[in-house]
Amino acid sequence: QVQLVQSGAEVKKPGASVRVSCKASGYTFTGYYMHWVRQAPGQGLEWMGWINPNSGGTNYAQDFQGRVTMTRDTSISTAYMELSSLRSDDTAVYYCARDRYSGSSLLDYWGQGTLVTVSS
Amino acid sequence: DIQMTQSPSTLSASVGDRVTITCRASQRISSWLAWYQQKPGKAPKLLIYKASSLESGVPSRFSGSGSGTEFTLTISSLQPDDFATYYCQQYNSYSPFTFGPGTKVDIK
Repeated sequence: QVQLVQSGAEVKKPGASVRVSCKASGYTFTGYYMHWVRQAPGQGLEWMGWINPNSGGTNYAQDFQGRVTMTRDTSISTAYMELSSLRSDDTAVYYCARDRYSGSSLLDYWGQGTLVTVSS
Repeated sequence: DIQMTQSPSTLSASVGDRVTITCRASQRISSWLAWYQQKPGKAPKLLIYKASSLESGVPSRFSGSGSGTEFTLTISSLQPDDFATYYCQQYNSYSPFTFGPGTKVDIK
């Protein structure tokens, strides 16, 4: 069965960076784009971008251009999302999610979420 | 970018009620519309895709309809497990995809 297992909660200071991992199992990792979506406390869902695990190609949402970097390690079927220059309003749960049709942005499986808290 | 709106923002209903949530897109998106259910502390779950296709394993009391700019999610007979927040999402490949603001379904 398809599973996406994310790394644990993080607490960071403003200005720092955070890297969240997402380990995939139960399917061919390189066959499906991986998206990252975040959700601030009590708020809605915000798309951050995607990575093509096969080529490493990425597409970032405009709001995160210059601050987000998505990478992958195909040898361990893991995707990573790094967000830099953290601010208090980056406090959120960060989700990875698989794109069913690679580029369609239809998200059929989601990780459990990683809470990132930015606080001085 | 395409903007999505949902109504109502909150809906109070009882077990057994028929519930309808509306989602509108700022531009025509054909049928590239998905619905997700999210419970507190959990990740979203895909319910409906391509406006009206039921995801495998999702109960048949959920249905979706619409095309172009107006869409609906209907729960034919609300069950205790259905109290959650519902999000629509457009996934037109020519535009960054966006979610609606969500509709919370709570107990009347």
